Amino acid sequence: AQSVTQLGSHVSVSEGALVLLRCNYSSSVPPYLFWYVQYPNQGLQLLLKYTSAATLVKGINGFEAEFKKSETSFHLTKPSAHMSDAAEYFCAVTHNNAGNMLTFGGGTRLMVKP
Amino acid sequence: ETGVTQTPRHLVMGMTNKKSLKCEQHLGHNAMYWYKQSAKKPLELMFVYSLEERVENNSVPSRFSPECPNSSHLFLHLHTLQPEDSALYLCASSLTIVDNPNGYTFGSGTRLTVV
Repeated sequence: AQSVTQLGSHVSVSEGALVLLRCNYSSSVPPYLFWYVQYPNQGLQLLLKYTSAATLVKGINGFEAEFKKSETSFHLTKPSAHMSDAAEYFCAVTHNNAGNMLTFGGGTRLMVKP
Repeated sequence: ETGVTQTPRHLVMGMTNKKSLKCEQHLGHNAMYWYKQSAKKPLELMFVYSLEERVENNSVPSRFSPECPNSSHLFLHLHTLQPEDSALYLCASSLTIVDNPNGYTFGSGTRLTVV
């Protein structure tokens, strides 16, 4: 079975500070991992994905995430937060050749203070 | 444009009304999904269609009735809804229902308010 845990349903940072959103997954086979961003009253937009190539993945808007197999983590980071980064972020997992649909985490709301 | 189009964007309906939500994709995807997103709750998967056949129905009340006439279109027919059904309804699509290295593509959602 696969699952995703996002630690912290709300994260608040100051503008210009480091953004760190945590995602841990459980999986018995190598995963595909995703981060999605959702702005108010919008759908989910793919931010970045890991599909067993480079472990450090760069996405849109300056975000990146690192796949760490030993820690079963796929944390999302951005060196310097902008006000426009305020949104909800979802981590998701699936696998190759395991017959699984995408499983989403509970989401983390990022607030950016001026 | 995300590639998945949902209409209407906003809908207000009375509890005795009948309305439909529409989702359309021209990405060549074979799987389509309805999700419900309520305030302070996780994403809830409602229905899954693969090649126009329903493959999953997560204990959704019968007042929600999905329809998938072809692989590009998905509807959610609504009747006699309750105020607690007010939520953002999201449609998504993917190439297949499982083993997707590209994840899902989401529409912008329909904000439904039941009065």
